[in-house]
Amino acid sequence: AQTVTQSQPEMSVQEAETVTLSCTYDTSESDYYLFWYKQPPSRQMILVIRQEAYKQQNATENRFSVNFQKAAKSFSLKISDSQLGDAAMYFCAYRSPPGNQFYFGTGTSLTVIP
Amino acid sequence: DTEVTQTPKHLVMGMTNKKSLKCEQHMGHRAMYWYKQKAKKPPELMFVYSYEKLSINESVPSRFSPECPNSSLLNLHLHALQPEDSALYLCASSLEGRGYEQYFGPGTRLTVT
Repeated sequence: AQTVTQSQPEMSVQEAETVTLSCTYDTSESDYYLFWYKQPPSRQMILVIRQEAYKQQNATENRFSVNFQKAAKSFSLKISDSQLGDAAMYFCAYRSPPGNQFYFGTGTSLTVIP
Repeated sequence: DTEVTQTPKHLVMGMTNKKSLKCEQHMGHRAMYWYKQKAKKPPELMFVYSYEKLSINESVPSRFSPECPNSSLLNLHLHALQPEDSALYLCASSLEGRGYEQYFGPGTRLTVT
């Protein structure tokens, strides 16, 4: 089975600053998809950003961007201009077609300091 | 409509009770999932319904049984649970096949007394 590793159990960032969350994964597949999900305290898990492995261009969604290094099997999330609402657990996830299973990392708890 | 709904939001049950959790989506997704999540931990996959076939995580005890009445509904039947089964139970759905993301419901907070 594929493994997804998030080596930072907890991170903190000052409001308006930039923070980067790390994710590495292990796979022998060449075709796969990577995701970052956000789960605020007692709230619903939502998709932040999605990256297709065959696309070299890094995905961007407003203040969220990824640094996808396929050879290094690294997929980090950068949050710019951090806001209080960014405080949450962030999970990195992997999916390889044709299967429907998602593999999640252990999560990083992000605190935003006012 | 990108919503997955789950009922109830909270459930307290005794170890001898039988209860059911319900999940519904109207996005045309044909893959639906049940996850168990403990606090500050990632979701653990329990079951997947895809192409009308059920896939089971073999570590899930038989006191949990899923049911998929149709492509929009997914139930999780609970019987004779243990206190360690107390957790947040998440339902998710996705399009089948290539790289589609999952959409999660808000979860059911289950407490077994």
